Amino acid sequence: SQTIHQWPATLVQPVGSPLSLECTVEGTSNPNLYWYRQAAGRGLQLLFYSVGIGQISSEVPQNLSASRPQDRQFILSSKKLLLSDSGFYLCAWSVDRHTQYFGPGTRLTVL
Amino acid sequence: AQKVTQAQTEISVVEKEDVTLDCVYETRDTTYYLFWYKQPPSGELVFLIRRNSFDEQNEISGRYSWNFQKSTSSFNFTITASQVVDSAVYFCALSGGDYKLSFGAGTTVTVRA
Repeated sequence: SQTIHQWPATLVQPVGSPLSLECTVEGTSNPNLYWYRQAAGRGLQLLFYSVGIGQISSEVPQNLSASRPQDRQFILSSKKLLLSDSGFYLCAWSVDRHTQYFGPGTRLTVL
Repeated sequence: AQKVTQAQTEISVVEKEDVTLDCVYETRDTTYYLFWYKQPPSGELVFLIRRNSFDEQNEISGRYSWNFQKSTSSFNFTITASQVVDSAVYFCALSGGDYKLSFGAGTTVTVRA
């Protein structure tokens, strides 16, 4: 069966510091991968998606970036965090390009 | 553009009451998929159900049931005999030709013992 992992689970970072969140999927090949952000008390915002290694599409221009160095690995990064980057970051995978399955999430607080 | 509207922000019920969550959608795609996800306090989004636009049969899974009505662009979700463990935020979502999930704003369900 397929499983999706995210780490870290919780992160507290100062403004201006770098960020690296990792997502890995097991039990499937060539999945579509997604990064979402959920601000406190708000809905989900799609940040990036990837249909293959090295292929990244950005949905929202911001100081975040994503990379997919391996088939089942998706990384969200920032060179300098802003206060507005605080939120709950969710990674998801899909093989049929419609149904998405989500990971446990990373709760990021920028101080 | 696709749009999903969940008009109910919060619903509070007493255990064993039934709860119906409304979802209305807009899309120009003829083929699309509708979803419900549950987000418990832990935060993870749990997939509950997917329906495609050509299948309007209602579905029941245990205490959960879904009513898809294409004529009114609605995909409502009912929890029968609610339990405290049903307390969560529930999201309705739609995926169409662009393969991106459009989420509603979510409905927070609180079930009191």
